[in-house]
Amino acid sequence: GENVEQHPSTLSVQEGDSAVIKCTYSDSASNYFPWYKQELGKRPQLIIDIRSNVGEKKDQRIAVTLNKTAKHFSLHITETQPEDSAVYFCAATLNSGYALNFGKGTSLLVTP
Amino acid sequence: SAVISQKPSRDICQRGTSLTIQCQVDSQVTMMFWYRQQPGQSLTLIATANQGSEATYESGFVIDKFPISRPNLTFSTLTVSNMSPEDSSIYLCSVEVSSRDTYGYTFGSGTRLTVV
Repeated sequence: GENVEQHPSTLSVQEGDSAVIKCTYSDSASNYFPWYKQELGKRPQLIIDIRSNVGEKKDQRIAVTLNKTAKHFSLHITETQPEDSAVYFCAATLNSGYALNFGKGTSLLVTP
Repeated sequence: SAVISQKPSRDICQRGTSLTIQCQVDSQVTMMFWYRQQPGQSLTLIATANQGSEATYESGFVIDKFPISRPNLTFSTLTVSNMSPEDSSIYLCSVEVSSRDTYGYTFGSGTRLTVV
């Protein structure tokens, strides 16, 4: 089955700096790669996603890049704010109808 | 996107008992997924539930311990049977949402289970 590796497990940045979280996946057939933000005690919330036919996607301060050849994808958060502090999970899946396989998560702390 | 109502939100249960968690979706969905999230950990897939057929379980999870029902396209239940403290976790249901304008996977609010 699909195996998703995520790094780093913890990340601390100063407010205003950028944060980058990286994931690799094992199944070259995977074609959908979402990122979720989970605040303490809450459900995971989708923040951005990318499909395998796209190399990069951006939404305001958040961007995701995908390298299909190397089987890795990354989350980039620019101009970080304290409210960005949370646990971030990457995931990967095959076609429609399959479950998401999650990375182990990155605990991001943005200090003022 | 779809809205999932999950209940209970939390429960404290005695070991050896069972708890049934319900998820109601506001639209019809083909697949529903059940995950476990142990404290400080990631989400681990328990099983995939398709309406009208038996759920498909992941390695390490068995039907006798986690029976699932999927009576229609908007509802599913997960039962945690014969509970032990090791079952203390957050359990989440999830659905895939696909429409002309949106695509993604959304989650219920989770059930925080403590077994004492």
